Amino acid sequence: SQELEQSPQSLIVQEGKNLTINCTSSKTLYGLYWYKQKYGEGLIFLMMLQKGGEEKSHEKITAKLDEKKQQSSLHITASQPSHAGIYLCGADGGSGNTPLVFGKGTRLSVIA
Amino acid sequence: DGGITQSPKYLFRKEGQNVTLSCEQNLNHDAMYWYRQDPGQGLRLIYYSQIVNDFQKGDIAEGYSVSREKKESFPLTVTSAQKNPTAFYLCASGQGAKTQYFGPGTRLLVL
Repeated sequence: SQELEQSPQSLIVQEGKNLTINCTSSKTLYGLYWYKQKYGEGLIFLMMLQKGGEEKSHEKITAKLDEKKQQSSLHITASQPSHAGIYLCGADGGSGNTPLVFGKGTRLSVIA
Repeated sequence: DGGITQSPKYLFRKEGQNVTLSCEQNLNHDAMYWYRQDPGQGLRLIYYSQIVNDFQKGDIAEGYSVSREKKESFPLTVTSAQKNPTAFYLCASGQGAKTQYFGPGTRLLVL
């Protein structure tokens, strides 16, 4: 079965600093989904990557999928307190309508 | 507004009691999912349904049951057989392209 490993598990950054979160899959990724979660709330969809080498951006958040399609990174530029939360990656195993498999998440704190 | 609603926001269960968590969506999605979230463990799949009147067990289905009688609704029952039910429960729905949209969650606590 597919497994996703996220690193780091937690991250504390000073406001204005850049940061990167990684998601590594045990198998080829047919689709990689990034979500953000505030504590005690549901997950908010950020973006989805499918093609090797693909890169997408939304405001100050950029996500990339490597050429081999086994690793994705999420990069935040000039972090703000509103970026704080848990970031989760989810993987599409590629077969029919099977559910996504999720990593354990990266907890991000942004301090002034 | 289109979206997914879960109720209640907080639920308390007494020992030996069955409780039901509600999940409703008006996005016209065929697929619906239930996940359990525990601290440090990410999301674990309990049950999912790809179409009305059909559902499949996920990784941790023991002690839970579901029904899918309507496209819009996918209630989850936590039975007395679930010995460690305290967790945050998330419902999601999706269509075609696999992107799943999540509800706000229900936190279940044991008295």
